[in-house]
Amino acid sequence: DAGVIQSPRHEVTEMGQEVTLRCKPISGHDYLFWYRQTMMRGLELLIYFNNNVPIDDSGMPEDRFSAKMPNASFSTLKIQPSEPRDSAVYFCASSPGTAGSNQPQHFGDGTRLSIL
Amino acid sequence: AQKVTQAQTEISVVEKEDVTLDCVYETRDTTYYLFWYKQPPSGELVFLIRRNSFDEQNEISGRYSWNFQKSTSSFNFTITASQVVDSAVYFCALSGWDSGYALNFGKGTSLLVTP
Repeated sequence: DAGVIQSPRHEVTEMGQEVTLRCKPISGHDYLFWYRQTMMRGLELLIYFNNNVPIDDSGMPEDRFSAKMPNASFSTLKIQPSEPRDSAVYFCASSPGTAGSNQPQHFGDGTRLSIL
Repeated sequence: AQKVTQAQTEISVVEKEDVTLDCVYETRDTTYYLFWYKQPPSGELVFLIRRNSFDEQNEISGRYSWNFQKSTSSFNFTITASQVVDSAVYFCALSGWDSGYALNFGKGTSLLVTP
């Protein structure tokens, strides 16, 4: 079975450029999550969707960050303009999410982002 | 608010030793879920186990076992007869009503198993 697919695996870009990270969740999963991992802050939630609708975006650091889920099989996380402090590993995860069950989240391999 | 504390930042053991990774949590939810994830050097996050707050039965899966004690708000993870392939960062996480379905992660414990 295909797991959560993220692209690109690595991204190196210069400060000020727009960055778009992509995620394809596991088919049939209703919930999609974006997390960021840094040495300083560990793993932190940025935003999550239920049935393509954003539910909680309180973890999105600034207006420079935006996320969309146009359909059940695709989501993007965009940073515009990017800054060096955005350098991190960004994970996408999905879960089947039966109400009240908090099913395990399955993670993609992550995108390692470096902003120079 | 929810909080997960993994007090052990790094642990180093010799192969075949048993090792326990500690996890202490805080939550006001009466219904919540606890998880352990493994992050090997390759970087992916691998789900290991989920426990709900009503199920305090310990669980064993091969060399892995988990001890959930609600009275002490702990969900500890033991690896028996550790192997070099167990070397990874292990994360404890919590979700519940406060966080919806999002996971609140601990800072992780880096386990190094040497031959």
